[in-house]
Amino acid sequence: EAQVTQNPRYLITVTGKKLTVTCSQNMNHEYMSWYRQDPGLGLRQIYYSMNVEVTDKGDVPEGYKVSRKEKRNFPLILESPSPNQTSLYFCASSWGREAFFGQGTRLTVV
Amino acid sequence: RKEVEQDPGPFNVPEGATVAFNCTYSNSASQSFFWYRQDCRKEPKLLMSVYSSGNEDGRFTAQLNRASQYISLLIRDSKLSDSATYLCVVPKNTGGFKTIFGAGTRLFVKA
Repeated sequence: EAQVTQNPRYLITVTGKKLTVTCSQNMNHEYMSWYRQDPGLGLRQIYYSMNVEVTDKGDVPEGYKVSRKEKRNFPLILESPSPNQTSLYFCASSWGREAFFGQGTRLTVV
Repeated sequence: RKEVEQDPGPFNVPEGATVAFNCTYSNSASQSFFWYRQDCRKEPKLLMSVYSSGNEDGRFTAQLNRASQYISLLIRDSKLSDSATYLCVVPKNTGGFKTIFGAGTRLFVKA
């Protein structure tokens, strides 16, 4: 089954404790992306990757890092999470125009 | 002006009604547009693409007005299952990799 898998689905953490949200896709897509979704703001792009070892900033990259060492994986790293990074995060992959999203990770930073 | 703007709603309509949402965009160079549907607390899923003047798929029609820089989504004969948030998406660059999502329009269809 074609899918994008994110882990964990839910995470509560403390300020400053480094965390990684994993994202994996099995569709051999070259393009992957991370978004955060906040009430009233819609989805905002954090980072995207056009292929292995090729990443670029989206609209809200501050406080996040990504890496793309393999085509299927695109982890999102928060080196020092802060409460303003509390949000719902989505990973997406695409080939062509349609984006396929993971089920989301609800992150709470206290 | 925001790059992509949508009326947040909510739109409350009875079953069987016709409802339309608009989405305005600021980048006149944008060539393609998308409507995604998002159910509560779920991931967005592609509903329709709009590459030229419009696109129709069953009860759903998406139209593009380049002169006024907006796209619209028309839903005919609304069903209870159409209740969701509808997101307008505009690629920001020619490769389509940088995308701007609208904040979404919420639709509630009532029996």
